[in-house]
Order: sequence, then C-alpha cells, then structure tokens
Amino acid sequence: QPVLTQPPSASGAPGQGVTISCSASNSNIGSTSVNWYQQVPGTAPRLLIYSSNQRPSGVPDRFSASKSGSSASLAIRGLQSEDEADYYCAIWVGGLGVVFGAGTKLTVL
Amino acid sequence: QVQLQQSGPGLVKPSQTLSLACAVSGASVSSGIYSWNWIRQPAGRGLEWIGRIHPSGSVDYSPSLKDRVTISLDTSKNQVSLNLTSVTAADTALYFCARWWVVGAFDPWGQGTLVTVSS
Repeated sequence: QPVLTQPPSASGAPGQGVTISCSASNSNIGSTSVNWYQQVPGTAPRLLIYSSNQRPSGVPDRFSASKSGSSASLAIRGLQSEDEADYYCAIWVGGLGVVFGAGTKLTVL
Repeated sequence: QVQLQQSGPGLVKPSQTLSLACAVSGASVSSGIYSWNWIRQPAGRGLEWIGRIHPSGSVDYSPSLKDRVTISLDTSKNQVSLNLTSVTAADTALYFCARWWVVGAFDPWGQGTLVTVSS
C-alpha cells in the first residue's frame, strides 16, 4: 500500500516562507494528480491545491505547489497567522481510493 | 454555492450501526459529474477515506472498511448516507462528507460530525 510521507511539523515567522514536502513510498506521484488540503483542527478541511498545482478560486496566490518524481511540495510565502493549520497531501490510488498523508502541523512563530 | 449539511447521532453503542446523512444544497446528487464521499478523522490523527458513490450506482470503499460500510444516495432528499456496521471504539472519529468534483479533489466538505462509540 502506498504511503505518503509528510514532515510532522513545520514552522516559520510571519512574512517568511515555508515548504511542506509529500513523498510517495511505492508509487510515482509524478504520474498522478496531487491535492493539498488545509485544516484548522476541529473544522472541516479546505481544498488548497488540486491537480498538483492549481488553486481554487479564493485561495491566495501565496500558496503554490509542485511535484517531481515521487515527491510533491506545497510552498507558502509571506506567512500569516491564519496560515497556522494542518496540511495534508492526497492522491487517488486505484484499488485503494484516496490516500492521505499523515499531515503537517504548521506553526507561525 | 454548494453546501453540505451533516446530521446523525453523536453516540453509538458498540456492535451497533453508525448512520449519518449529508444533505446537499446548491447541487444535485444525481449529477453525473460528481461523486459523494465520506472521510473520517480520529481525534488527533489524520484523514482516512471511507468510500464514495457515483450517481450511476457505482461505489468504491476503502479495503479496510468495505465489509462494514454502505454509502447510498437518496435523490428525493438530495442527500448521501453512510452506514457503518458492527462499530467498535476504533470507529470513534470526526466524520465528514465531501463532494469529489471534476478536477479530482474534495470540495466542498460537510461541517463534520463527531461520533463516539461507547456503551
């Protein structure tokens, strides 16, 4: 079963940038679409990035994402206090359905 | 604007069936361009996909839950339902419904329902 590995935590000061990685164990992220979700604990996740690098309407352009080989990454520039949340990557895997990473807790210092 | 409103009991006894509903407004559950999904999140842990249903009747379930889960559509009520049988404490979680739309992502999500399995 493919596993998506994310760092458990990340942090940055207001105004700085941060990157969160998402690595696939035995599947090639490069051949599938990666989605990213933002979740304030206790609330519903919010779609942040779809199709690996597309932002839905309403998501600030401070958020960007990319993928290469077996890894994907989410970049946030100009950190703001409201960015403090958990971030999840996710892919669709045939036979398994949607597989989520374990999540990265972002702290804005 | 599409909105998903969840309902259902917050407490279920062990061995019984967990039943949740997700009422959809602003879109039709019969539309062939969406599928309707359930996802759960145990306290302090990550997201786990439970399964999905397409209006065609096609369903897909997580292999780890497929023997206990049923997802169905009620087109008359424009809602999606989740049934999870023989629950244990391990099924205690925050449950979400979500639409899977054409770009291949979950958007929007329901507000979440905390279900505790306890006697």
